[in-house]
Amino acid sequence: NAGVMQNPRHLVRRRGQEARLRCSPMKGHSHVYWYRQLPEEGLKFMVYLQKENIIDESGMPKERFSAEFPKEGPSILRIQQVVRGDSAAYFCASSTYILNEQFFGPGTRLTVL
Amino acid sequence: GENVEQHPSTLSVQEGDSAVIKCTYSDSASNYFPWYKQELGKGPQLIIDIRSNVGEKKDQRIAVTLNKTAKHFSLHITETQPEDSAVYFCAASKEETSGSRLTFGEGTQLTVNP
Repeated sequence: NAGVMQNPRHLVRRRGQEARLRCSPMKGHSHVYWYRQLPEEGLKFMVYLQKENIIDESGMPKERFSAEFPKEGPSILRIQQVVRGDSAAYFCASSTYILNEQFFGPGTRLTVL
Repeated sequence: GENVEQHPSTLSVQEGDSAVIKCTYSDSASNYFPWYKQELGKGPQLIIDIRSNVGEKKDQRIAVTLNKTAKHFSLHITETQPEDSAVYFCAASKEETSGSRLTFGEGTQLTVNP
């Protein structure tokens, strides 16, 4: 049973470009969460989604960031017009609808030049 | 919202010794408390969790205790080994059927010296 998959593992963007991060949840998991980890810090919640629905986006910056989890395909975290402060590791986690045990992917490390 | 504090931020022990990491939380409605281990360059790995209907849970060398009244919970690692060296995070959430966010502590860098 494959775990949570994220790609790309590393992403380099120049200021002003767009970053797209993908997450495929574990088989049988219907909930996807995105967290951000700045260097030397803990993980901060960004957004929680179910298929075709954003359930809680209270941790997401109001501008430039968006997330989706379409009926088919992976969840996407999109960052428009990236700035250097967006450089971080972005982790996706998934869980079933019954329990809140969240299993994390390997992360995408975004570097903004 | 929920706030989780974690201590210590760094912990160095000799191989074979025990290690204890402590966390406090602020929201009395939180009822699910997982612990994650994160190795360098990897994603957090769930190592043990506890729910508010129990006070202690053990899995081989790892145990977690929960004091709901005081709103704190602790991770205990016995007979530490060099491969236990990593950053450990505690977290808290309100477990609901619709799922909920985890609020993490700032992490503890554990170093086990051979």
